[in-house]
Amino acid sequence: NAGVTQTPKFQVLKTGQSMTLQCAQDMNHNSMYWYRQDPGMGLRLIYYSASEGTTDKGEVPNGYNVSRLNKREFSLRLESAAPSQTSVYFCASSDRSAFFGQGTRLTVV
Amino acid sequence: QQQVKQSPQSLIVQKGGIPIINCAYENTAFDYFPWYQQFPGKGPALLIAIRPDVSEKKEGRFTISFNKSAKQFSLHIMDSQPGDSATYFCAAGLDSGGYQKVTFGTGTKLQVIP
Repeated sequence: NAGVTQTPKFQVLKTGQSMTLQCAQDMNHNSMYWYRQDPGMGLRLIYYSASEGTTDKGEVPNGYNVSRLNKREFSLRLESAAPSQTSVYFCASSDRSAFFGQGTRLTVV
Repeated sequence: QQQVKQSPQSLIVQKGGIPIINCAYENTAFDYFPWYQQFPGKGPALLIAIRPDVSEKKEGRFTISFNKSAKQFSLHIMDSQPGDSATYFCAAGLDSGGYQKVTFGTGTKLQVIP
């Protein structure tokens, strides 16, 4: 039972570099989400996708783009990384409750 | 705008104690209240959830108490164990457009001392 799989687990970027975080789920969920987790701030929603072919902004979308490639996959792209984007990123999918991946720890130097 | 307020930020109890984590929400449209448990280096995992038409729900040693009029809910961990040491997040969900939008609290780091 893989659940929600995220890659990579760790990444260090230089300011201005770009990268894509990958996420795939095997639970046939329609909804998928990207969160960032920062100390003392809980989990904040970056983008979500209610169903294949749709995406929408969450609470903190600036500096990010997403693609819902198909029902299984939802990627998060940083076009020009900034130190403020240093965080732990979680992908999740849901029916009624959210199921999370293991996270990607991203450091932007 | 923080829609779900969680306290305390951290909590230390001895083994066998009953830690209590409290959350308050503002939006009365919320209709689903899950709690998540997160161990270091892992993603949050659903622990227990409650709907507003129920005042209490128990699953093993974990109990949610819900007070709709006060817009508050809390997690109690009975007979706490060192293995319960983790960060706990409350959340409030809103069914909107066929998907579940969940707002999280800021988390409580629990340490259970042997």
